[in-house]
This record gives sequence, structure tokens and C-alpha cells, in this order.
Amino acid sequence: SQKIEQNSEALNIQEGKTATLTCNYTNYSPAYLQWYRQDPGRGPVFLLLIRENEKEKRKERLKVTFDTTLKQSLFHITASQPADSATYLCALGSGGSYIPTFGRGTSLIVHP
Amino acid sequence: GAVVSQHPSRVICKSGTSVKIECRSLDFQATTMFWYRQFPKQSLMLMATSNEGSKATYEQGVEKDKFLINHASLTLSTLTVTSAHPEDSSFYICSAVGVAGGIPQETQYFGPGTRLLVL
Repeated sequence: SQKIEQNSEALNIQEGKTATLTCNYTNYSPAYLQWYRQDPGRGPVFLLLIRENEKEKRKERLKVTFDTTLKQSLFHITASQPADSATYLCALGSGGSYIPTFGRGTSLIVHP
Repeated sequence: GAVVSQHPSRVICKSGTSVKIECRSLDFQATTMFWYRQFPKQSLMLMATSNEGSKATYEQGVEKDKFLINHASLTLSTLTVTSAHPEDSSFYICSAVGVAGGIPQETQYFGPGTRLLVL
């Protein structure tokens, strides 16, 4: 069955460093992959979408890579700030589907 | 743009009562809305897909008579938890997708969520 894996352990980093979060998947050939941010007690907020034919996408301090051979996406936040502390969810979708499947998310804690 | 609101944000009710949660797309028309349930530190669990003017499509294991969904307009979907019990206590989140050229887009815009506590 399809499986999306995100590290369940929180990632703790120091302010100013680059945070890197991982999303691995198995038994799946997604046409696109999304990253969302979720703050406690709030709904997720869309950050970036990357398609299977794209290797990398950037938006301000955010960078996402998509390696369909490794079945992995990496999500980077450069020059991290305490305000970046949140849970980050990856979501994968099939071609022609607008209903992605969400991973459990990884909590990021940026220490001042 | 692409703002989705949910009301109420928090509700506490007695066991056996029904609770209605509203989801509105404020600045775009959403032919399709989704209802999710999320337990602490768990993934979003899709409950149902709500299409304007038609019956909702429920995911396997979700009781359609328990969770009534109505999508009466292009900007409003409601979820009613009927005869709520303590095990229904959870965080309910709706989302909406926009449409371009008649094709639903992949990006989901989420509401802020509703925390339901059934005593």
C-alpha cells in the first residue's frame, strides 16, 4: 500500500541555520508533491508545489527538491527563524487527482 | 486571496447533541470542498469530498449518517456531526480547491479548523 514517511521526531535547530525536512514515499508514483505548514490548533497553509518533471523549486527562503528515483522530497528553510517553528506536512498527488494524500508531518523547532 | 473560514472555531457539547460546522470560501468559488479530521500528532484524515449541488463522497469507514455534509452553494459547505459522542471529539478541518478552466486545481486552501469536544 502507499506509504508516506516523515520523521516523527522533532527537528531542533539554531536560528540562522538551514533546516532540512525529509519526505519519503513507497508504492507510489506521484505526479506532484506539496508542502504545507501547520501551526498548533490551525489548518495547514500551502507553501510549495513541485511536479514530477521538476527537480527543484524555490520561494524566498524555501527550497524543495523532488527525486523520483529516490522517492524522496527534501524541504529546506534557509536562515531559519524562531517564527518558522511549526509542523510541516508533505502531500502527494496522482496525475489527474486534486486530492493529495498527506504525511503525518515533522515538527520544526528553531531556537533563538 | 484564497481565504477559507470555518465556524465555530471551538465547540463543547453534551453527548447526544448534534453540532454543525460551516466552511466558507471567502474570495473564490469552490465547487469542491473537503472535510478532514485530525487527532493530535496524526496526519489529516480525509473524511469526505463535498461537491456543490451533489451528494458528498465519503471515504471508507466514515459513516455518512453520522457526518452529514451539505454543499448548497459555491462558497459554503456544512458538516453536521449527529448524535455526537466523546469519541467524536477531534479537530475538524475543511479545505477548498479553486477551479481554472473548469479543472479543479491541486492546491488546497484550508480553514482554521474547529475543535470539537463532546462531554
